[in-house]
Amino acid sequence: EEQLVESGGGLVKPGGSLRLSCAASGFTFDSYTMTWVRQAPGRGLEWVSSVSGYSTYIHYADSVKGRLTVSRDNGKNLLFLQLDNLRAEDTAVYFCARVKLDYSDPEGVFDIWGQGTVVTVSS
Amino acid sequence: EIVMTQSPATLSVSPGDSATLSCRASQSVRSHLAWYQQKPGQPPRLLIYGASTRATGIPARFSGSGSETDFTLTISSLQSEDFAVYYCQQYNKWPPGTFGQGTNLEIK
Repeated sequence: EEQLVESGGGLVKPGGSLRLSCAASGFTFDSYTMTWVRQAPGRGLEWVSSVSGYSTYIHYADSVKGRLTVSRDNGKNLLFLQLDNLRAEDTAVYFCARVKLDYSDPEGVFDIWGQGTVVTVSS
Repeated sequence: EIVMTQSPATLSVSPGDSATLSCRASQSVRSHLAWYQQKPGQPPRLLIYGASTRATGIPARFSGSGSETDFTLTISSLQSEDFAVYYCQQYNKWPPGTFGQGTNLEIK
């Protein structure tokens, strides 16, 4: 079964840091671009960051650029998101998701999602 | 950035009836449009991509249509498990793959 499981969320003070992890199983991890999407309480979905299979291409949303760093360890089938200098507006559920592989369609569809990990930024 | 606008914000429909959800892009996204379903406490689930192609395991009562800037998700013969929030997302210019604000489909 193709599966993603996030961990690492928690309560952190403004200006603090967290490292989120996403463990992948059931598929060839390094064949896929992976992404992070977040959802603030009661709000919609916001794409945050993506990293290609061999980390050649990395992208960030403008709202997090300079404060978040995405990385992956293909040997361990792990995706990471380092969150630094956190702000109250970073409070959200953070989902990792797999970008669908489809040679007849551009990238950008998210076909497998984890359950999410909650990040709360508060003093 | 492409802005995705969904309407209505909330749609009240009776089980067994059909529901039509709309999504409009601020500029053409060709057919690069996906729909997701999200239930409380759960992650989003991919329903439709390429504007009209159902994802694996999605029932035939879910159908998508449209191109360029105007898209529709139709759910026929609504089942109890279909009441959820639905998001559209463009991926013509990705990243970022911008999402709409969602339509809450509720039981009438």
